[in-house]
Amino acid sequence: LAKTTQPISMDSYEGQEVNITCSHNNIATNDYITWYQQFPSQGPRFIIQGYKTKVTNEVASLFIPADRKSSTLSLPRVSLSDTAVYYCLVGGAGTASKLTFGTGTRLQVTL
Amino acid sequence: GAGVSQSPRYKVAKRGQDVALRCDPISGHVSLFWYQQALGQGPEFLTYFQNEAQLDKSGLPSDRFFAERPEGSVSTLKIQRTQQEDSAVYLCASSFGGSGETQYFGPGTRLLVL
Repeated sequence: LAKTTQPISMDSYEGQEVNITCSHNNIATNDYITWYQQFPSQGPRFIIQGYKTKVTNEVASLFIPADRKSSTLSLPRVSLSDTAVYYCLVGGAGTASKLTFGTGTRLQVTL
Repeated sequence: GAGVSQSPRYKVAKRGQDVALRCDPISGHVSLFWYQQALGQGPEFLTYFQNEAQLDKSGLPSDRFFAERPEGSVSTLKIQRTQQEDSAVYLCASSFGGSGETQYFGPGTRLLVL
């Protein structure tokens, strides 16, 4: 199984850009990388998914280097409501049991 | 509703009791996943269904855990003879296609075994 690690916590001020990195050294060729946001007492909420290079949607960007051993979630201009735990998820293509969540990063946004 | 729903939201069980947790996936979603999330940790994969077929149950921690999805829609996760270490949040997710597609999660069921 892919071992997937993230920084335990990060702090940011409102309005700043936040970059959260996930390390997944054992990623397999067909694995996808997905990022989720989780608030207390709620299930994870989908943010963005990618396979390689860069993906952007209306809320975030995902950067994946050529070797795919890491990925970076970029949140532009965070607000207080972005305070949450962020997880990367690696795997899924063809074999569900390879689905591995990262250790999670607790983001605290303050004024 | 448009999202994944789970019931009950909270369950307290005495050690040794059997519990059943229900998941209603998004209508039309082929794939359904169960995860276990311990306090302060990321979700861990338990089992995966594609329609009514349980394609992967390698994450189930013991033979006390059993999941089914008989008609390819609603799923039930059953835990027999609950133990204190079973206390966790049990998350259900569904996706439109296979296991590599975006998963949409329910709110989870928080199980506390006393």
